Amino acid sequence: DAKTTQPNSMESNEEEPVHLPCNHSTISGTDYIHWYRQLPSQGPEYVIHGLTSNVNNRMASLAIAEDRKSSTLILHRATLRDAAVYYCILRDSLNSGGSNYKLTFGKGTLLTVNP
Amino acid sequence: NAGVTQTPKFQVLKTGQSMTLQCAQDMNHEYMSWYRQDPGMGLRLIHYSVGAGITDQGEVPNGYNVSRSTTEDFPLRLLSAAPSQTSVYFCASSSGQGGSRGELFFGEGSRLTVL
Repeated sequence: DAKTTQPNSMESNEEEPVHLPCNHSTISGTDYIHWYRQLPSQGPEYVIHGLTSNVNNRMASLAIAEDRKSSTLILHRATLRDAAVYYCILRDSLNSGGSNYKLTFGKGTLLTVNP
Repeated sequence: NAGVTQTPKFQVLKTGQSMTLQCAQDMNHEYMSWYRQDPGMGLRLIHYSVGAGITDQGEVPNGYNVSRSTTEDFPLRLLSAAPSQTSVYFCASSSGQGGSRGELFFGEGSRLTVL
C-alpha cells in the first residue's frame, strides 16, 4: 500500500493561513489523495480530496504537486476550531472488492492554533 | 439524519469478559469498518465489510469477531477481553462508490477500558 509522511505537529496563529504538507512518493496513478481531520474526542471527518488538480471547498484547499508525490492542505484562515489531527491518506480509485476501503491512517499532523 | 451511531460510548470490562460494540448507519452504505485508536496513535483497521454477509480482516483482527447480517448494522464482538484491548473504537461507513466518492463517515467512538 502506498504510504504517506506527515510532520508530527505544526503550530499556527489564529486567522493566519496554515499549510499542512504530505509526502506520498510511492503514489500510484489511480490513487486519490484524501484528507481527514479529527477534532479532540471525536471521530475523524472528511475534509477534501483530489487526484491531480488543485481543489477548493468550504473547509480548505488542496494543492497537489505536478508529479503528485506531495500535496499540501491549506487552511486559509485558521480558527481555534481547526485545532485537530490532520490525516493525509491515499485511496485507490479502483473498486477492487473493497480493498480501496482499507484506508491506512497514520499518526497525522497535530495542528495547534494559538489565539 | 443520524449518520453512524455507536453504542455504548463508554464501557469498563474485566479481563476475560465478553461484550459487543454496536454500530448502526442509516445512510444505506455498503461498506462498514471498525478501527481502534490507542493514545498518540493513528487509527488501525480491525475488520471491514463490503456488504451484508461479507466481512474481512483488517490490520489488527485478533481477539475480535464481526458479522454483517443487515446493511445497517455491523457489531464488533470481543470474545475474551484483555487489557491490550483498552482503546477507543470507531465505526465508519461509506457508500459503494470507490475512488473520489464514498467518503468515510465515522461514529463518535466507544471508549473501552479493560481492567
